[in-house]
Amino acid sequence: QKEVEQNSGPLSVPEGAIASLNCTYSDRGSQSFFWYRQYSGKSPELIMFIYSNGDKEDGRFTAQLNKASQYVSLLIRDSQPSDSATYLCAVNGNFGNEKLTFGTGTRLTIIP
Amino acid sequence: DAGITQSPRHKVTETGTPVTLRCHQTENHRYMYWYRQDPGHGLRLIHYSYGVKDTDKGEVSDGYSVSRSKTEDFLLTLESATSSQTSVYFCAITTDSYEQYFGPGTRLTVT
Repeated sequence: QKEVEQNSGPLSVPEGAIASLNCTYSDRGSQSFFWYRQYSGKSPELIMFIYSNGDKEDGRFTAQLNKASQYVSLLIRDSQPSDSATYLCAVNGNFGNEKLTFGTGTRLTIIP
Repeated sequence: DAGITQSPRHKVTETGTPVTLRCHQTENHRYMYWYRQDPGHGLRLIHYSYGVKDTDKGEVSDGYSVSRSKTEDFLLTLESATSSQTSVYFCAITTDSYEQYFGPGTRLTVT
């Protein structure tokens, strides 16, 4: 059984600070990793994906992947109240297998 | 929104009745999925499709069936709804670059 683990939170971060969200996965053969943001009552929204070890930056978001440690993280710089949401980590077994396994999500609250 | 719509958006039904949820996409993506989302469980895959008439089970497929007779439509059927199937149901597609996008969701209540 493939597992994706996230701290459920809530994680509270002051406005303007860096929010750090973490995710671990059990399947060492996993190839692609995704972060979704989900506002209450809305559908998940893809914000970042990463395939290679290291960092990938997109605006205020940075995804970090360490396959040796089976660990992926999302950093949100200059956190804004609009970043308050649940963040879902998802993992794909390998390219060509398009089934994602999701973590249960971390609820992030940005405190003004 | 990747051109995904779901209908109905909200439905209340009684135990034992059949229910069909529809997912429609406008961009001819090959892969389509049905998930349910429940507190404490996150998103769980019910069924998915990798082409017209090609479907397979996910991790929580019991009590659900699917059909895909056209590329753009993926139907989820609850043959005899139970209270445990009260949930929010999301349809999703995967693009050619392996990115998965979700529809707006259907909130189903079984009384």
